[in-house]
Amino acid sequence: GIQVEQSPPDLILQEGANSTLRCNFSDSVNNLQWFHQNPWGQLINLFYIPSGTKQNGRLSATTVATERYSLLYISSSQTTDSGVYFCALKTSGSRLTFGEGTQLTVNP
Amino acid sequence: SAVISQKPSRDICQRGTSLTIQCQVDSQVTMMFWYRQQPGQSLTLIATANQGSEATYESGFVIDKFPISRPNLTFSTLTVSNMSPEDSSIYLCSVGPGTDTQYFGPGTRLTVL
Repeated sequence: GIQVEQSPPDLILQEGANSTLRCNFSDSVNNLQWFHQNPWGQLINLFYIPSGTKQNGRLSATTVATERYSLLYISSSQTTDSGVYFCALKTSGSRLTFGEGTQLTVNP
Repeated sequence: SAVISQKPSRDICQRGTSLTIQCQVDSQVTMMFWYRQQPGQSLTLIATANQGSEATYESGFVIDKFPISRPNLTFSTLTVSNMSPEDSSIYLCSVGPGTDTQYFGPGTRLTVL
């Protein structure tokens, strides 16, 4: 099956800093999503982005499908950004495969 | 979009017992998915539940341990049977109404003593 690698596994920031999270994948995809899992366990959809660039407030994402990677940018980080960020992919059918996640801690 | 609710939100159970988790969606969907997230780990798909047919289980998951019901297009249950401490996890229900965004319920946090 498809391999999904996220980096870095852990990231600690001071409030106000910027960060870039990366997701590499081993096969062509027709669906790529970024999720944020908050400290209570809730998974929140951030982006559906199989290709191209999207922005939503302080967050933006870029997927370069031909080079098999996606990036999630967080600018001016806030303590509420803390949690685990997952990328998840679909190749064919409806099976979503998750990466191992990036644990982000934003300190005040 | 889809709004998903799960019951219970959390439970503490004794070894050897079973727990049934309910998932309710606010719209009709063809497929519902059940995931497990063990402590500190990523999400793993347990099975896909289609209305009117047997659930399709992923490698490493069996129907006797995780029986699933799908009585209609807005509801599903997952039972965790004969529980052991290794079953302590967050169990999440998910739907993908179209071909793009997939939505997740709030999860059921299970602790087995």
